[in-house]
Amino acid sequence: DSGVTQTPKHLITATGQRVTLRCSPRSGDLSVYWYQQSLDQGLQFLIQYYNGEERAKGNILERFSAQQFPDLHSELNLSSLELGDSALYFCASSPSWGSIGANVLTFGAGSRLTVL
Amino acid sequence: AQSVTQPDIHITVSEGASLELRCNYSYGATPYLFWYVQSPGQGLQLLLKYFSGDTLVQGIKGFEAEFKRSQSSFNLRKPSVHWSDAAEYFCAVVWMDSSYKLIFGSGTRLLVRP
Repeated sequence: DSGVTQTPKHLITATGQRVTLRCSPRSGDLSVYWYQQSLDQGLQFLIQYYNGEERAKGNILERFSAQQFPDLHSELNLSSLELGDSALYFCASSPSWGSIGANVLTFGAGSRLTVL
Repeated sequence: AQSVTQPDIHITVSEGASLELRCNYSYGATPYLFWYVQSPGQGLQLLLKYFSGDTLVQGIKGFEAEFKRSQSSFNLRKPSVHWSDAAEYFCAVVWMDSSYKLIFGSGTRLLVRP
């Protein structure tokens, strides 16, 4: 157990639907990162939050949004889902931001999204 | 542009044989380097990291990696592979410029022959 908790583990939904993935970071970590892993795109960085504020943005589609709440948990919202959104979505956390140690990430086990 | 290259998509080795997984990066700023391992159905686990100092770093599970600045490489090695090492291995690099973004390579899948 890495200490990063992601729910749900598996999710099957239909095209056009909206889903929310949840992440609780490791105790004491202030930064949360979201990654998408698919067979054709590999591991893609989506977005990062630090202590409730967005700090870095990667290849995140406009249909996707995220936030980090005061208790530091984060949610990734995926809307108007398409078949190509089927992937494993990872959350990771780290102690801080903007320092070397901030990039030592602890990953959760992932949420597998299947869009039919 | 910042990039991380793992030139081998798959590598197959026999149990007990030595292993080297390649990783190259491009970009001029000082890199900080990581190797992560992903077992089937699992998240990524940090194997080792290099920030500064001795360019040969030791990690968990008997892995080591060597940073070679002149070759822009950070290859992962293990002297004797065990069947449980079968997994996907990701090299990752962060450049301490304004982005602080950790960029992953495409991964190398290791298969271990009994």
